[in-house]
Amino acid sequence: AQSVTQPDIHITVSEGASLELRCNYSYGATPYLFWYVQSPGQGLQLLLKYFSGDTLVQGIKGFEAEFKRSQSSFNLRKPSVHWSDAAEYFCAVGVNFNKFYFGSGTKLNVKP
Amino acid sequence: DGGITQSPKYLFRKEGQNVTLSCEQNLNHDAMYWYRQDPGQGLRLIYYSQIVNDFQKGDIAEGYSVSREKKESFPLTVTSAQKNPTAFYLCASRTGTGSGYGYTFGSGTRLTVV
Repeated sequence: AQSVTQPDIHITVSEGASLELRCNYSYGATPYLFWYVQSPGQGLQLLLKYFSGDTLVQGIKGFEAEFKRSQSSFNLRKPSVHWSDAAEYFCAVGVNFNKFYFGSGTKLNVKP
Repeated sequence: DGGITQSPKYLFRKEGQNVTLSCEQNLNHDAMYWYRQDPGQGLRLIYYSQIVNDFQKGDIAEGYSVSREKKESFPLTVTSAQKNPTAFYLCASRTGTGSGYGYTFGSGTRLTVV
């Protein structure tokens, strides 16, 4: 069965520090991969997505993610975190156009 | 601006009542989705519709019903059969099928049973 694992429930980083949020998936083929961000009480905003090609993808707000097929991972990174990045981040796997599997989310706290 | 509008933002329901959550989109997307979000569990698919007058059950459809009479609208009814309805509900629509494929989400409705 398909699954998405975000092993870190909460992460705290200092403003200006680098960030890496982990995501591992279980799926037989290469899926469509997404990262979304959610502010409290709000919907999800797409940060970036991977379908094929270059395994390092750039997204909005200075985020990037790298697809590593051998590790079934799609980790999200940002070189320098801003206080406004505090939110919950969700990794998602698209198995087909109507089947999206979400991880349980990672809450990011940013220390001043 | 195009987007998805969910209403109301907060909804309170007494036990035994049915309630309907509204979802409207002006993106001209064919496919629409309802997700339920619980703390620490990510999002789970309730129902989806790929075209008007057609919809399919998702992973947790029991206790919910939907309709798709118009392309723009995909309301979700939480029935009294749903034993634990308190949650955050998100509506989404899908664009594209190739590399342009992606979901757009509404801002959600928080349902609380009182």
